[in-house]
Amino acid sequence: KAGVTQTPRYLIKTRGQQVTLSCSPISGHRSVSWYQQTPGQGLQFLFEYFSETQRNKGNFPGRFSGRQFSNSRSEMNVSTLELGDSALYLCASSQPQGMNTEAFFGQGTRLTVV
Amino acid sequence: AQKITQTQPGMFVQEKEAVTLDCTYDTSDQSYGLFWYKQPSSGEMIFLIYQGSYDEQNATEGRYSLNFQKARKSANLVISASQLGDSAMYFCAMREGARTSGSRLTFGEGTQLTVNP
Repeated sequence: KAGVTQTPRYLIKTRGQQVTLSCSPISGHRSVSWYQQTPGQGLQFLFEYFSETQRNKGNFPGRFSGRQFSNSRSEMNVSTLELGDSALYLCASSQPQGMNTEAFFGQGTRLTVV
Repeated sequence: AQKITQTQPGMFVQEKEAVTLDCTYDTSDQSYGLFWYKQPSSGEMIFLIYQGSYDEQNATEGRYSLNFQKARKSANLVISASQLGDSAMYFCAMREGARTSGSRLTFGEGTQLTVNP
């Protein structure tokens, strides 16, 4: 069974540009969550998508957006990039049933903004 | 609001010894789940163990066990017989039971574990 796949693995962008990151969840998983990890702020929840609908959202500016497709694949977009957006972006997929449902994470996309 | 606290930024342990990584949490929910993840330098988060708030027994998974003390709101991870491959960052995380929480996890700051030969 294939795991969670995130592409690309590494990305370098210039301030002011926009970027799109992709996440393919485990087959059959309908919930996809995104997290931002930085040395200063740690792991912070961005948003969660379930059945193509945003179900939950963290405390991030509107420059951060996402969507989910009918095959459960998800993308997140960051517009007008800032230096502080440099981070490891992790995607997690899960079966949204029950409290003990573990989240399976991808290897992340490391974004560097210069 | 939910909060996870890991007070040990770094821990060192000798190979083959046991080590305890601390985690305390704060929530007003009665129903919640506690998770531990391992993050090697490659970046991927690896699930280790889960404890539900209504579980009466402490969770165990191989060399990992969770020392769950509900009244103290603590969920410490115990790794027995440490191996060099256990060197990594360890995160404690919580999922609340509120319907609006969905699959959202709240993470602690993490503990960097180093296993010495």
